[in-house]
Amino acid sequence: DAGITQSPRHKVTETGTPVTLRCHQTENHRYMYWYRQDPGHGLRLIHYSYGVKDTDKGEVSDGYSVSRSKTEDFLLTLESATSSQTSVYFCAISDRPTNTGELFFGEGSRLTVL
Amino acid sequence: AQTVTQSQPEMSVQEAETVTLSCTYDTSESDYYLFWYKQPPSRQMILVIRQEAYKQQNATENRFSVNFQKAAKSFSLKISDSQLGDAAMYFCAYSLPQGGSEKLVFGKGTKLTVNP
Repeated sequence: DAGITQSPRHKVTETGTPVTLRCHQTENHRYMYWYRQDPGHGLRLIHYSYGVKDTDKGEVSDGYSVSRSKTEDFLLTLESATSSQTSVYFCAISDRPTNTGELFFGEGSRLTVL
Repeated sequence: AQTVTQSQPEMSVQEAETVTLSCTYDTSESDYYLFWYKQPPSRQMILVIRQEAYKQQNATENRFSVNFQKAAKSFSLKISDSQLGDAAMYFCAYSLPQGGSEKLVFGKGTKLTVNP
């Protein structure tokens, strides 16, 4: 299994509070991604990174920010959580810039915003 | 924009039987990649099979095979000799070969139940 660890795995928070999810990899892969998974929507890309300090927006980036100060860590921050951000968040990594290769996923972080 | 449609939200199959999951996609490109990902109840998603559009031969991985119909823009997954461990959400995905993995587009998924 690819070495990907997400933390926390479960979190309940209140509307308006900041939340940070962490993705840690031991594979030294260049590319990292944050997805959210919601019933009826499949997986949607939030943000991605193609190197240290190099990040870009995905399909549903509003309300989220990311940072990558080290190859192994990719942080997803909700500055002021809202109920619409209740979801399961997945981190993924890959070692290639195109999709000729596969994505390796973490186990997910379930976030509930009350 | 590319879209991926999985028309079957849920499917069920008896153990040892064969099941086919449907996927269609919309694209104007001629070169692209298609994937099936499996998400078991433990939630870690894994790649099941990959198909390159320029290859006419259907991809196969053990009990998993695809029926790739490029003209019809169809990419179905066939699971033979279904096992209890095949129970999962299955996601079809599409990507262009150029650019990064941010171009990966997922369908909404099909939940497969395997009955003993």
